[in-house]
Formats: sequence, structure tokens, C-alpha cells
Amino acid sequence: ETGVTQSPTHLIKTRGQQVTLRCSSQSGHNTVSWYQQALGQGPQFIFQYYREEENGRGNFPPRFSGLQFPNYSSELNVNALELDDSALYLCASSLPTGPSYEQYFGPGTRLKFT
Amino acid sequence: GNSVTQMEGPVTLSEEAFLTINCTYTATGYPSLFWYVQYPGEGLQLLLKATKADDKGSNKGFEATYRKETTSFHLEKGSVQVSDSAVYFCAHLNDYKLSFGAGTTVTVRA
Repeated sequence: ETGVTQSPTHLIKTRGQQVTLRCSSQSGHNTVSWYQQALGQGPQFIFQYYREEENGRGNFPPRFSGLQFPNYSSELNVNALELDDSALYLCASSLPTGPSYEQYFGPGTRLKFT
Repeated sequence: GNSVTQMEGPVTLSEEAFLTINCTYTATGYPSLFWYVQYPGEGLQLLLKATKADDKGSNKGFEATYRKETTSFHLEKGSVQVSDSAVYFCAHLNDYKLSFGAGTTVTVRA
């Protein structure tokens, strides 16, 4: 069984640029959630995709957008990058059944600025 | 609102010592509760979970009990090893999203 994978592992950008992060969900999982983890903090929920539709969003501005594809993989796009966007971006996949609704995380993409 | 508060670190212990990390939550209803662990340079790994009051989650010698009356889910391990050095996050699940605490850094010395 293949786990959650993310690409790229690292990115270096400058302020104002745009970035696309990618996530492949664990086999059989149809739901993908994205989280932002700033240094020294817990992850913060950005949004979730279920069957190619956004299924909930955290307190993030519209310049954070996403997609989910028919194979359940997902992209996170961030426009007009700001220095505060420097963080580890985590993707988690799940199968939304049952009360525990476990989410399995990928290794993350670390975004830094020059 | 929904939130998770966990014991601030860092915590430094000697091998074979007893570890406790406190976690309390606020939420509507009775959310599922989780502990995740993050090793240096890696993503999050699910350590254990509990889905209803009085459930005890356990894994790799770690335990946590879902206490509805105190809205707590404290993590414990009776004898830590150097390999347990990591950042530990308490989380609850509400409306299909996880809310995390700030994390507790644990360092175990040989």
C-alpha cells in the first residue's frame, strides 16, 4: 500500500511569486486535506477536498486555492506569496467513514524565501 | 470555538523515565481525539486515537484516555527511550478537520 506522497520536498521562492504543491493520496482514500505548519507551531487547517469539491476551509485568504483530480490527487496553489507563507505544507488523505476518520500525512513541502 | 491546549515544552528526560504530556480541548459535541508524533524533518505520524469517552488509545508503549468530564487526553509512557525524542501533537477532529495543539518537544537523553 502506497502512502501519501508530496512534491516537491523543498521550494525557495521570492515574495509575490506563485507556487503549486502536489499531493498523491494513499491508495483508496478519496479525501485530501491541506495544512500549514509554521516553524514551532501546530498545523493549521487550510482546506479539504472530497470527490473533487472543496469540503471545508480554514481561515486562509482566497490566494490559497486548490484542486482535486479524478484520481484523488490534489494541488495547493498559493498566489502573491508573502513572507508569512514560509512554512511546512502538509497534505493528509483519508476515507471519511466512521467516527475516527483517521488522516494520514505526507512528509510535507517546505517553502522558504530568498 | 474548537481548540486544543497542550503542555508547553521542551521536555527533557533520561532514558527509562516516565513521560506525561497534558492535553485539554474545547469542542462542540464529542470529537475524536488523536496524538500525532513528528520526528525531525518528517511529516506527522498517527500515534494513537480515541473516539468516545473512556476509550483508551495505545501504541508503542504510549497510552491516552479520553476523559469527557475533564475534556482531557493526556499522553503517557512508562519508560521512554532515546528513539522517542520527537515533537508530539494533540489534536481533535471536528467537522472533518483536525485542530492541533502547539506541540511539545520531547528530548530523551541516554
